[in-house]
Amino acid sequence: AQSVTQPDIHITVSEGASLELRCNYSYGATPYLFWYVQSPGQGLQLLLKYFSGDTLVQGIKGFEAEFKRSQSSFNLRKPSVHWSDAAEYFCAVGDPPHAGGTSYGKLTFGQGTILTVHP
Amino acid sequence: DADVTQTPRNRITKTGKRIMLECSQTKGHDRMYWYRQDPGLGLRLIYYSFDVKDINKGEISDGYSVSRQAQAKFSLSLESAIPNQTALYFCATSDRPRTGGSGELFFGEGSRLTVL
Repeated sequence: AQSVTQPDIHITVSEGASLELRCNYSYGATPYLFWYVQSPGQGLQLLLKYFSGDTLVQGIKGFEAEFKRSQSSFNLRKPSVHWSDAAEYFCAVGDPPHAGGTSYGKLTFGQGTILTVHP
Repeated sequence: DADVTQTPRNRITKTGKRIMLECSQTKGHDRMYWYRQDPGLGLRLIYYSFDVKDINKGEISDGYSVSRQAQAKFSLSLESAIPNQTALYFCATSDRPRTGGSGELFFGEGSRLTVL
């Protein structure tokens, strides 16, 4: 069964500092990986996704993530954090489009990492 | 208007009451999902539907039921609510598997349910 682990429940950084949120996954083949962000009182918004190609993926709001197959990781990074980045971040894994119809779209989520940004 | 709309956004109810959460979407997607979010547990899948005639249980379906009234509508029911069903509930949609399909989920803004 696939699973996702986000080791850090809560991270606090100062505004302007760099950020890295960790995500480790367990999956039998090449996974389809996602990072979502949830601002307070809001639904989840997709930051970026990866299935194939360049292992460094660019997303919205200045975020990027790097897929490392050898480490089963898909860590999210941002070089300079803004106060508006304070939110909860979720890593998720799912089946890619060609894997068949029964599991496609059913994502397994990590526990989430809450990001606090100090001024 | 939001592509995925959930009603109600907030609901407080009592143990034993029947509750329905509704979801409608304008994205034209065939696939719809109900997830539950609890602090520290992330999101867990309750039920999902790949089309109007297809309903499937997810990871935590006990105590819940669903109805897919139309392609655009998917409702979640708690027949007899209990306090440990207090949570934030999300409806989501996705496209069908196809070359170039995004595979991502599109979420509503959530329905916060409190069971006293």
